[in-house]
Amino acid sequence: NAGVTQTPKFRVLKTGQSMTLLCAQDMNHEYMYWYRQDPGMGLRLIHYSVGEGTTAKGEVPDGYNVSRLKKQNFLLGLESAAPSQTSVYFCASRPGLHNEQFFGPGTRLTVL
Amino acid sequence: AQSVTQLGSHVSVSEGALVLLRCNYSSSVPPYLFWYVQYPNQGLQLLLKYTSAATLVKGINGFEAEFKKSETSFHLTKPSAHMSDAAEYFCAVISPNTGNQFYFGTGTSLTVIP
Repeated sequence: NAGVTQTPKFRVLKTGQSMTLLCAQDMNHEYMYWYRQDPGMGLRLIHYSVGEGTTAKGEVPDGYNVSRLKKQNFLLGLESAAPSQTSVYFCASRPGLHNEQFFGPGTRLTVL
Repeated sequence: AQSVTQLGSHVSVSEGALVLLRCNYSSSVPPYLFWYVQYPNQGLQLLLKYTSAATLVKGINGFEAEFKKSETSFHLTKPSAHMSDAAEYFCAVISPNTGNQFYFGTGTSLTVIP
């Protein structure tokens, strides 16, 4: 089991560029989440999904879009990157309502 | 609505000393509570969780936490700190029956002094 994997690990973008972050899990989990982590602010939820084909907004969804076309994958898109989106992005998954989250290793994104 | 407050963004202890990291929660229903640890440049790992069974929960690496409903607290402790415990620690809360979202505290950075 690879658990939760994230691609890429690092990325540098210029303002206005677009990119997609991929999260994959091989644990057959229903729920998947995207967070951003910034110094002193803990983890803030961007979007989440409670099952294949579903998505919902979290605390800080503006500037991001997501898709969950396959149960094992959860994609996070930035259509027009801004310096304020410089952050470390974490994906997480969990089997169901009564379970903990399992986290990926993170993607460090810098927007110049 | 749920929320978590972690008192002390930075805690320093001497090697061998007691570790105490504080977490207070706000929840309208009995919550599930979690402690996660994050080592530098890594993702979060589960230390322990409270899911309404025993109020004293034992986790990995010698950590434990006690759920105190009257104090709305879930403090993390370890009797004797080790250098390898230096990391960022996050407390999180979720409503067990309706909660799709985890609510994380802002984290406590633990430094262990040799």
